[in-house]
Amino acid sequence: DAGVTQSPTHLIKTRGQHVTLRCSPISGHKSVSWYQQVLGQGPQFIFQYYEKEERGRGNFPDRFSARQFPNYSSELNVNALLLGDSALYLCASSLSATNEKLFFGSGTQLSVL
Amino acid sequence: AQSVTQLGSHVSVSEGALVLLRCNYSSSVPPYLFWYVQYPNQGLQLLLKYTSAATLVKGINGFEAEFKKSETSFHLTKPSAHMSDAAEYFCAVSDRPSGTYKYIFGTGTRLKVLA
Repeated sequence: DAGVTQSPTHLIKTRGQHVTLRCSPISGHKSVSWYQQVLGQGPQFIFQYYEKEERGRGNFPDRFSARQFPNYSSELNVNALLLGDSALYLCASSLSATNEKLFFGSGTQLSVL
Repeated sequence: AQSVTQLGSHVSVSEGALVLLRCNYSSSVPPYLFWYVQYPNQGLQLLLKYTSAATLVKGINGFEAEFKKSETSFHLTKPSAHMSDAAEYFCAVSDRPSGTYKYIFGTGTRLKVLA
């Protein structure tokens, strides 16, 4: 079975641009979470989605948004990119919103120049 | 609010030596605790988890961790280090507000294994 897949794997953008990152969860998983990992730090929670609804949001500005589709895949959107948005963006899936076992993808490395 | 503190951002051990990575937690409720490993350019892989069952938790690749409530600790150990253990290790505590689930991660410990 395929694990959590994320695309693209690497991305280079310039300040002020917009970016969309994509995630496909493990088959049968209905919850998707997004984390931001800045170099040298641990991942920080951005969003959790379950059954297409936002179930949790971390301390990130409104420039960050996400959605989940009927097939449970998800997109993370970031508008008006800043240099500080450069990070590894990790997607994780789980069976349900309250299941403690998260499975992480390999991430999308975003560089903002 | 829940939090974790990982003591030591870098740890070096010789191959075959004991691995000890330290994690202390703060939680207002009985915590769920996790250790994850991250190899270069990869995502996070779950090593083990504590969810209020046995206090000594065994994980993959020979790792184990002991939950000590009195010390608010959840240190990760492995009796004998292997070169393939070189990676970054993250301790995490769950934050479970109603209807959702998120992890609070520590800042990580990079393990170096010396030949």
